[in-house]
Amino acid sequence: AQSVAQPEDQVNVAEGNPLTVKCTYSVSGNPYLFWYVQYPNRGLQFLLKYITGDNLVKGSYGFEAEFNKSQTSFHLKKPSALVSDSALYFCAVRAGYNNNDMRFGAGTRLTVKP
Amino acid sequence: DAGITQSPRHKVTETGTPVTLRCHQTENHRYMYWYRQDPGHGLRLIHYSYGVKDTDKGEVSDGYSVSRSKTEDFLLTLESATSSQTSVYFCAISAWADTNYGYTFGSGTRLTVV
Repeated sequence: AQSVAQPEDQVNVAEGNPLTVKCTYSVSGNPYLFWYVQYPNRGLQFLLKYITGDNLVKGSYGFEAEFNKSQTSFHLKKPSALVSDSALYFCAVRAGYNNNDMRFGAGTRLTVKP
Repeated sequence: DAGITQSPRHKVTETGTPVTLRCHQTENHRYMYWYRQDPGHGLRLIHYSYGVKDTDKGEVSDGYSVSRSKTEDFLLTLESATSSQTSVYFCAISAWADTNYGYTFGSGTRLTVV
């Protein structure tokens, strides 16, 4: 079965600095990759996804993610972090179209300090 | 979150009692999912539905059952609650298996089994 690893439980960055939240995956076949964000006491919100095409995917709130097939990675990035970006971020993978088994990573807590 | 409601929001129950959580959607989406969220594990799929009366098991289905008698409602039942089922439960919906917008999640139900 497919799986996702988020190697960092916590990422701290200063406001205005670039941020990266790491994700690696394992899947048989072509991966469908997603990033979600969770704010306190809320459900997850979709940020962006990669299915095929350009390896750099742009999403909501200025976030982007880079798909790297050789490294089986899908890192989330933002050029300039905001304090309001502080939240819990989840990477997820699904093994292709029409597969309902989406696997999530354990999550990375991002803290952006003023 | 717009279009999807979970009830109750919080529940405390005793070991061995049955518990039913409800997910209600107003989007007329075909697919509905139940996940549980636990620290260090991210979200794990319990059961999902791909239509009325059509359901299937997920990664952690033991001890849970589901029912979907109407498009808008997806019920999760713990037949005999155990302390290991203390968790935050999220319902999610999507219009089709491959959506450009990922899943839409509810706000969650925090269940405590004492």
